[in-house]
Amino acid sequence: VVMTQSPLSLPVTLGQPASISCRSSQSLVYSDGNTYLHWFQQRPGQSPRRLIYKVSNRDSGVPDRFSGSGSGTDFTLEISRVEAEDVGVYYCMQSTHWPHSFGQGTKLEIK
Amino acid sequence: EVQLVESGGGLIQPGGSLRLSCAASEFTVSSNSMSWVRQAPGKGLEWVSTIYSSGTTYYADSVKGRFTISRDNSKNTLYLQMNSLRAEDTALYYCRGYSSRSSFDYWGQGTLVTVSS
Repeated sequence: VVMTQSPLSLPVTLGQPASISCRSSQSLVYSDGNTYLHWFQQRPGQSPRRLIYKVSNRDSGVPDRFSGSGSGTDFTLEISRVEAEDVGVYYCMQSTHWPHSFGQGTKLEIK
Repeated sequence: EVQLVESGGGLIQPGGSLRLSCAASEFTVSSNSMSWVRQAPGKGLEWVSTIYSSGTTYYADSVKGRFTISRDNSKNTLYLQMNSLRAEDTALYYCRGYSSRSSFDYWGQGTLVTVSS
């Protein structure tokens, strides 16, 4: 499954919203009815950290300004108000089909 | 506090072998899904391999037949045996323990593998 993110570069003004799109080459709905689409953040020089699992569930400790939505093949990560600590690269990942696969990454920077 | 600590990386010649280790604390490797994910210098994340609590394993096509994921329950450690290494295997290798169904996702700090003559 090919995961395609857009944009690949996202300059954002502090306090403004940001949105990242992720599209899959086939439906990510699994036979159990769940959609295994997840979002990760990788800050500069750090290991990745998962933000969202199964499309819209925030991981523990993730600020509520992060939200995920979508279905089937189209998904979105939204940040309601970008803060300085949000700088980094964001990846979507699917674990519905083998092999698991990541998007190319979207680099968020402060304008 | 959960910790995953990778080790075993280094400089290796093409065609050589390395075994990566991921030692876990406050976390039971055998009871959870575990993966290796790699990141080539300046590039994105690439899924490499997964082992489920059942013992079932999966591999990326790029490493199938060359890499083997395993675990030692008595040592609470995950491994990645890497054979027939190629230049394109050069990357930072992360160990990950997770659940896709609940808020449970941990990553190590990574261990660097450089394949070069």
